[in-house]
Amino acid sequence: AQTVTQSQPEMSVQEAETVTLSCTYDTSENNYYLFWYKQPPSRQMILVIRQEAYKQQNATENRFSVNFQKAAKSFSLKISDSQLGDTAMYFCAFMKRGGGGADGLTFGKGTHLIIQP
Amino acid sequence: GAGVSQSPRYKVAKRGQDVALRCDPISGHVSLFWYQQALGQGPEFLTYFQNEAQLDKSGLPSDRFFAERPEGSVSTLKIQRTQQEDSAVYLCASSLGVGGTHSEQFFGPGTRLTVL
Repeated sequence: AQTVTQSQPEMSVQEAETVTLSCTYDTSENNYYLFWYKQPPSRQMILVIRQEAYKQQNATENRFSVNFQKAAKSFSLKISDSQLGDTAMYFCAFMKRGGGGADGLTFGKGTHLIIQP
Repeated sequence: GAGVSQSPRYKVAKRGQDVALRCDPISGHVSLFWYQQALGQGPEFLTYFQNEAQLDKSGLPSDRFFAERPEGSVSTLKIQRTQQEDSAVYLCASSLGVGGTHSEQFFGPGTRLTVL
């Protein structure tokens, strides 16, 4: 079984600052995906960024980038030039890759990110 | 609409009642997932369908929980004899394929179930 740990229940930064959200995971799998999802107050979960474990290059999506350290089982999210609209719950998630079908996501408990004006 | 939809958005049930929660996935999506999200927690996996086949129901917390997707599109999550610990937001997600580049899960807005 996999576990995902997010050790920061809440973070608050000023608009335009850079913020890093931490995530560690534990698994015996070798092939997997890692994700960061954003859940705004309206509650609809939105994918922010994904990383395939076999890829060494860290994923980037505009202002969002990850620091993926496979050996350390660490997957942090960096948000640059933070905006008020970035205020939300952020969930780190793990999914096994391969097999006969898809797999459910294993989520961490989330980090509540508040961007202050 | 183009996204995943769920109904009802809110459901209040008395303890012991049966409830049915509906999910309309994105058209053409093969995979469908149900998650349970308790207050202040991350979502927890309940069950997975590939078309009409329920391939994984390992996350269903008890035999009071039952899910179906008879025609490989719309899915219903049914909870029998609801209990207070069933109060949560139930999220549905769908993905185009079964893995690889088509594994991104798109989530619905959820159904908030409150059991009194």
